[in-house]
Amino acid sequence: SAVISQKPSRDICQRGTSLTIQCQVDSQVTMMFWYRQQPGQSLTLIATANQGSEATYESGFVIDKFPISRPNLTFSTLTVSNMSPEDSSIYLCSGEGQGYNEQFFGPGTRLTVL
Amino acid sequence: GQQVMQIPQYQHVQEGEDFTTYCNSSTTLSNIQWYKQRPGGHPVFLIQLVKSGEVKKQKRLTFQFGEAKKNSSLHITATQTTDVGTYFCAANDYKLSFGAGTTVTVRA
Repeated sequence: SAVISQKPSRDICQRGTSLTIQCQVDSQVTMMFWYRQQPGQSLTLIATANQGSEATYESGFVIDKFPISRPNLTFSTLTVSNMSPEDSSIYLCSGEGQGYNEQFFGPGTRLTVL
Repeated sequence: GQQVMQIPQYQHVQEGEDFTTYCNSSTTLSNIQWYKQRPGGHPVFLIQLVKSGEVKKQKRLTFQFGEAKKNSSLHITATQTTDVGTYFCAANDYKLSFGAGTTVTVRA
């Protein structure tokens, strides 16, 4: 299994600013993902974070709004840029190790944009 | 990605009773995973089903994958308060597409 930590756990931000969320895995994983989850809703995949190359974004999500880095196999960041109240959500990262069937999720970052 | 429909959205269960949540797809699924998310927590993997007609059990939880690999179900027997949370199915096609989830509350 893998243990995933995220920083910050929560934040309250002003409209127009940006926030970078960090995701750290305690062991090497082949795949890392970023999700968004509105309270009481399901998880929506934002992008797959690729090590050493540009992330692969899902429909409706773009790099300018959600730039993602993954400099190595155990770390990734997601930036929420030029925030608006509609970006208020829980952001979760996950990792999938080689040979694992499942994804392991971080505790999430609860973002509130005023 | 593949889309899965999950019903019911909410399940209010008397402690000790059984219930089932269903996951349906219009297309054939490679495999399907189930996750549980406790209130205020993050999703935790429960099981993956790969084979047509597969049935797997985890204590009081029984997971089934349909013969056509287009539907799946999770059946919980003798519900306990520890079963409270949201159960998600997710179609796995190199990335997960989550269903809407079934949120379970338990009456003691």
